[in-house]
Amino acid sequence: GEDVEQSLFLSVREGDSSVINCTYTDSSSTYLYWYKQEPGAGLQLLTYIFSNMDMKQDQRLTVLLNKKDKHLSLRIADTQTGDSAIYFCAERGTRYSTLTFGKGTMLLVSP
Amino acid sequence: KAGVTQTPRYLIKTRGQQVTLSCSPISGHRSVSWYQQTPGQGLQFLFEYFSETQRNKGNFPGRFSGRQFSNSRSEMNVSTLELGDSALYLCASSHETSDGELFFGEGSRLTVL
Repeated sequence: GEDVEQSLFLSVREGDSSVINCTYTDSSSTYLYWYKQEPGAGLQLLTYIFSNMDMKQDQRLTVLLNKKDKHLSLRIADTQTGDSAIYFCAERGTRYSTLTFGKGTMLLVSP
Repeated sequence: KAGVTQTPRYLIKTRGQQVTLSCSPISGHRSVSWYQQTPGQGLQFLFEYFSETQRNKGNFPGRFSGRQFSNSRSEMNVSTLELGDSALYLCASSHETSDGELFFGEGSRLTVL
């Protein structure tokens, strides 16, 4: 079945760039997503990329997709303390709207 | 435009009881899916509804069920609650399969004692 892997923890200093990585196994994924979850909250859609794209940029966020290696990354420029949260990578197959999630990467931003 | 609304936000039940959770999707969205989030298992897919029909189901026991109404609102029900059902239940809505955007609500946090 489909599987999504992420590193569990990342620590950066305020103002630095953060890069969160994700690998997935489903070669027929249509969309790949990044969600942010703060304590006690639901999932906030940060960005998503269609599988035929290599890159997508949205303000401080840059998503890179290497479909050959099934590797997805999220770069956050000028990371702020408010970016501290858990970031989930998710992939969506060809049928329906079902997502398969990674375990999440906890990003800790220190002043 | 209102987001995905889930009610109740918090609830406490005891083992053996049953619970019903509600989800109102974004206006115009016809697909509603449900996920269970626990510290041990992470985010797991429960089921998805589109135009009142369940079109995909995850690997959960029959105690977990759901339905969708003609206005796209959805409910999920868990019967004969077990301690392990304590979790954050998240609902997501999307416009249609070909549209990439998929938005989540704030979740319903269920505690089973």
